[in-house]
Amino acid sequence: DAKTTQPPSMDCAEGRAANLPCNHSTISGNEYVYWYRQIHSQGPQYIIHGLKNNETNEMASLIITEDRKSSTLILPHATLRDTAVYYCIVRVMRGNQFYFGTGTSLTVIP
Amino acid sequence: GAVVSQHPSWVICKSGTSVKIECRSLDFQATTMFWYRQFPKQSLMLMATSNEGSKATYEQGVEKDKFLINHASLTLSTLTVTSAHPEDSSFYICSARRTSGSYNEQFFGPGTRLTVL
Repeated sequence: DAKTTQPPSMDCAEGRAANLPCNHSTISGNEYVYWYRQIHSQGPQYIIHGLKNNETNEMASLIITEDRKSSTLILPHATLRDTAVYYCIVRVMRGNQFYFGTGTSLTVIP
Repeated sequence: GAVVSQHPSWVICKSGTSVKIECRSLDFQATTMFWYRQFPKQSLMLMATSNEGSKATYEQGVEKDKFLINHASLTLSTLTVTSAHPEDSSFYICSARRTSGSYNEQFFGPGTRLTVL
């Protein structure tokens, strides 16, 4: 079962940073936070994951609070192609299944 | 990143017929693959876990006799929707797990759109 809570939708102006929040208050010590996104009618695309430290890659940054009960995905300079549904998932590192929640539908506005 | 393909990308069939969907990991071996279903404007729902050389594990509420899964090789899993009905029309997505050392990642296919008339 999904163990995360995300706002259903958000808008962001093109070129600005998009900050997508996720609550995972019941996260266990060995569970990682993963972010995927799904552009309309495509398969999910991996963005980033982390355990407790902040992470950054070429796509985004992940900020995890010290108590690990919430996190924020940051797209530093949103483009129109970032319009998608973003999913926050918690899972143990060597675990199998991903259980998707409802996600956040991000719309980047020109 | 690793590549997972699905075939066909879309299929239209008549009610009562069976449809087979293939999921392939193109550049890595996957002992475990997963099948999801997604209805319009809804999230992905995990249907089953496909294990190479053994029986699939189905999520609660998913009929194993209707959704037949075969994982005969390390790069191929198939999902057969038997006796398809209009309510089976959906977007079917697979993912493949790649294990490297203490770390494993999942890569998703592009999905297959099934329409049952």
